[in-house]
Amino acid sequence: GNSVTQMEGPVTLSEEAFLTINCTYTATGYPSLFWYVQYPGEGLQLLLKATKADDKGSNKGFEATYRKETTSFHLEKGSVQVSDSAVYFCALSVSGGYNKLIFGAGTRLAVHP
Amino acid sequence: NAGVTQTPKFRVLKTGQSMTLLCAQDMNHEYMYWYRQDPGMGLRLIHYSVGEGTTAKGEVPDGYNVSRLKKQNFLLGLESAAPSQTSVYFCASSYSRDRAGYTFGSGTRLTVV
Repeated sequence: GNSVTQMEGPVTLSEEAFLTINCTYTATGYPSLFWYVQYPGEGLQLLLKATKADDKGSNKGFEATYRKETTSFHLEKGSVQVSDSAVYFCALSVSGGYNKLIFGAGTRLAVHP
Repeated sequence: NAGVTQTPKFRVLKTGQSMTLLCAQDMNHEYMYWYRQDPGMGLRLIHYSVGEGTTAKGEVPDGYNVSRLKKQNFLLGLESAAPSQTSVYFCASSYSRDRAGYTFGSGTRLTVV
């Protein structure tokens, strides 16, 4: 079956630190991969995506590379800010599946000044 | 502003009561989805729709019913609420093209006592 596994949180960092949130997946076929972010009290927002192997998605200083050989899509940012504090979700969808997304459990990030 | 609107934002129900959650989108999206979010479990798909008049079961459909009489609206019903249905419910919509990302509503926090 299809599934997504994320590193457990919370992740606590100081401002300007380097961020990595690990995400690995299991999928039949060729999935598209997504990172969504949820700020407190809000719905999820698409942060970035990649639709094929070796693609790199990027947005707002965040990056993730679709690694087929390791079935991974790790989220990285070189210098986090307090405003990046949120919950981050990795997700996948498979072709022909009506865009149904399968989510990981989410990783809470707290950035302190 | 264009987007997905959910009503109500908060609700407390007694066990056995019924209610309907409304999701409305103004982006002319074909696909719509209902997810529930529980701590440590990410988001799980309840039901989805691929067009007006269509509905289908997701991962956790028991205890819920849905209807999509108009393209822009997707209703989620609880006929007899149970404490296990205490959750945050998110509606989302997307275009039908493959690998499209979602637009999420801001969520409904439901407590069943």
